[in-house]
Amino acid sequence: DGGITQSPKYLFRKEGQNVTLSCEQNLNHDAMYWYRQDPGQGLRLIYYSQIVNDFQKGDIAEGYSVSREKKESFPLTVTSAQKNPTAFYLCASSTTGTSGSVYEQYFGPGTRLTVT
Amino acid sequence: AQSVTQPDIHITVSEGASLELRCNYSYGATPYLFWYVQSPGQGLQLLLKYFSGDTLVQGIKGFEAEFKRSQSSFNLRKPSVHWSDAAEYFCASEGGFQKLVFGTGTRLLVSP
Repeated sequence: DGGITQSPKYLFRKEGQNVTLSCEQNLNHDAMYWYRQDPGQGLRLIYYSQIVNDFQKGDIAEGYSVSREKKESFPLTVTSAQKNPTAFYLCASSTTGTSGSVYEQYFGPGTRLTVT
Repeated sequence: AQSVTQPDIHITVSEGASLELRCNYSYGATPYLFWYVQSPGQGLQLLLKYFSGDTLVQGIKGFEAEFKRSQSSFNLRKPSVHWSDAAEYFCASEGGFQKLVFGTGTRLLVSP
């Protein structure tokens, strides 16, 4: 079955440690996205990538880093510089097209990160 | 900046009653619009989308939405709610090239 996998589902870390969240897709999508979800705030875009070896900051990129070395994979690192990292993190992917087009995004099941 | 507003944080509906969730967008004359549903602790699932054409869009699970340009709205409806519809619902609009902007969500509670 095609889809997006995120691992692990729950992640616990001590303050001051970097942590990497995994996101893999087998939908053959060019674009991938990372969102942070906090209660009452909807989804906020952290980083996105429209093609391998290229990515752009979203609205809340500070304290996060990403890489896109393979089309299928878009890992997110939450660094110790992120002031409030405890949240639910969602990865998504979509196809891409011509300028001005927007396509639906498909989401993974999410990773809940708790930092204490 | 583009924005999506979902004015209702929570809505409670009796099982079998009709449902309407409100969504207003601020971007473009005819934007790309989406409704997603999220069960607790899960990812988002696409319910339906509007790109152009017929302003009444049918989706999965018996949901539909109507695009009204004059009101900048894209409200989600269902004629008869089931207990399994209890979830959080997100409206989204285009937020720039290949990006979406999401509303803050409406949590639907279904009473027996």
